[in-house]
This record gives sequence, structure tokens and C-alpha cells, in this order.
Amino acid sequence: QVQLQESGPGLVKPSETLSLTCTVSGGSISSFYWSWVRQPPGKGLEWIGYIYYGGNTDYNRSLKSRVTISVDTPKNQFSLRLSAVTAADTAVYYCARNLGAPGGIDVWGQGTTVTVSS
Amino acid sequence: SYVLTQPPSVSVAPGETAKISCGTNNIGSKSVHWYHQRPGQAPVLVISYDHDRPSGIPERFSGSNSGNTATLTISRVEAGDEGDYYCQVWDASTDPLYVFGTGTKVTV
Repeated sequence: QVQLQESGPGLVKPSETLSLTCTVSGGSISSFYWSWVRQPPGKGLEWIGYIYYGGNTDYNRSLKSRVTISVDTPKNQFSLRLSAVTAADTAVYYCARNLGAPGGIDVWGQGTTVTVSS
Repeated sequence: SYVLTQPPSVSVAPGETAKISCGTNNIGSKSVHWYHQRPGQAPVLVISYDHDRPSGIPERFSGSNSGNTATLTISRVEAGDEGDYYCQVWDASTDPLYVFGTGTKVTV
């Protein structure tokens, strides 16, 4: 059974870069699309972007200028970098697996809370 | 980009049926997925591709999609069905590719 685990700092200063890593266990990162989704406190879900194991990416246009998603196949990990963060980027960040490009998200990490504050 | 509109809240008695709508223009031409999120937990996929139930999801959960509205139906509602429900579509012609609905809080 595939499991996902997010890791990274829980506190980031404004204007700095948020960096998170998702470790995939119980299965290979090869094949599937791998997404990052976030949820601000008390609000709904927002898709940030995804990466295909081969390296192709697509991002939410509202974040595109600040987002980079990368994959490390040998380590079975993929990562998120979000630059120039503000308080509006405070959220629970989930890594997730997509059932193909048009598919739903069938596996989610437990989520990690990232707070942007000085 | 477009908005997937859901009712903010639905209240249902145990054993009854809950219906949650998800609306946008011509949603019937897209594949809709549904998620259940309990407080403090990650979402769980309960319906994929309009009406498919992933392994482990009870038959009480069903979905339909036609015209401008997709619907998640929960039959014989149980206390454990409480939480937030989100619809989601993938649309290659828009940005973002993945759009989530506004969310519906189900109270049992």
C-alpha cells in the first residue's frame, strides 16, 4: 500500500522560500502524476501543481512564477519549492498521487502545516 | 478558470439520504471526483470519474453527472459521514488543470 509523507520546516519567514519533500513508500514513484495541494486555515483545497515521474510539470497559473516541483526517482521523493512567501501562503500542504492526468487523487499524505511569519 | 459551486452546508438525519451538488457550465462533459475530509485529516477519494467507487468505499456512496450539475449521493447516512465534501474536475482547456469545488459541510 502506497504511503506518502511530507517533511520540511513548519515555519518560514516572509519573502523566503518554502521547501517541502514528499517521500513515497510502499511503491515506486515511477508512473503516476504526483501533486501538491494546499489548504489555508478554515478554507478549501487548492491544487498547486504536479509532476510526472519523467519530469513533466504543470502548475497553477496563480502560483506559477513562484513554484517549482521536482522529482528524485532514486530516492522515491518529489519536492515543492515556493518562493517569496507571504502570510497568504500559510496552509496545510499535502502531497498526493493522481490517478493519471484526468484522474482523481487516490493517495494523500497526512499533510504538514506551514506557517509564514517573522 | 471557473468555479465549482457547492452548497455550503447540508444537514441530514442518520439513516436518511444526503445529496450534494457541484455545479458549473457543462460539467457533464468533464470527469468529476469527490472527496470526504474529516476535521484535521487528509481528504479521502470517495467517487472517481463521476460514479466509480474506489476500493473500500461503501456502496452507500454514489455519483452522477449530467448537464450543469454533478451530484454525490450518500444513502443511509451514518455519523462517520460527517465532514467536508469537495468535488474536483480536471480540465485541460483551463488553468488550473485541477479545480476543486467550494466545499460542503455535512452535518449528521
